Amino acid sequence: DGGITQSPKYLFRKEGQNVTLSCEQNLNHDAMYWYRQDPGQGLRLIYYSQIVNDFQKGDIAEGYSVSREKKESFPLTVTSAQKNPTAFYLCASRDREDYGYTFGSGTRLTVV
Amino acid sequence: AQTVTQSQPEMSVQEAETVTLSCTYDTSESDYYLFWYKQPPSRQMILVIRQEAYKQQNATENRFSVNFQKAAKSFSLKISDSQLGDAAMYFCAYRSYTGANSKLTFGKGITLSVRP
Repeated sequence: DGGITQSPKYLFRKEGQNVTLSCEQNLNHDAMYWYRQDPGQGLRLIYYSQIVNDFQKGDIAEGYSVSREKKESFPLTVTSAQKNPTAFYLCASRDREDYGYTFGSGTRLTVV
Repeated sequence: AQTVTQSQPEMSVQEAETVTLSCTYDTSESDYYLFWYKQPPSRQMILVIRQEAYKQQNATENRFSVNFQKAAKSFSLKISDSQLGDAAMYFCAYRSYTGANSKLTFGKGITLSVRP
């Protein structure tokens, strides 16, 4: 079945360390997105990519980086510059002709 | 920039009753899409219903329907015959019609509880 796979489901990081969250899709979707979810904040856009080798900053890109070397993959790196990284991270994708997004099941990142 | 406002953080409904979740948005665009997403305790985001702004007819999906008031920039979700499985967080979202700017903008969400 087609879908989006995010891994790992839970991730613990020590302060000062970079960590990479994986997002893979087999839907052949062109566009991919990373959102951060905090209690009472809704979903906020971190980065998005419309095509391979191209991506744009979202509303809260500081302290994050991404790459889009393959259509299927859009990894998100949370760097040590991100002041408050503990959150739930959601990856999504969208087909060019479609209306809405397909979401992954998310990664819960905790800084310890 | 577009904004989406969900002013009620929590709501409660009795099983089998009807509940309406409110959403307003702000945009200068004339063509756009609106969505309601459900996030149950599993945290998987599930599309509930969508509405194209150019359509005057309100979207309906089984027990879920919307009241889309374009002039008032209002997009409320009505859940009829509420079930225990409807308990979740619900997000209203906006997307521009043009593909070059296709990111979804979400409201802060509303937590719906269903009383047995």
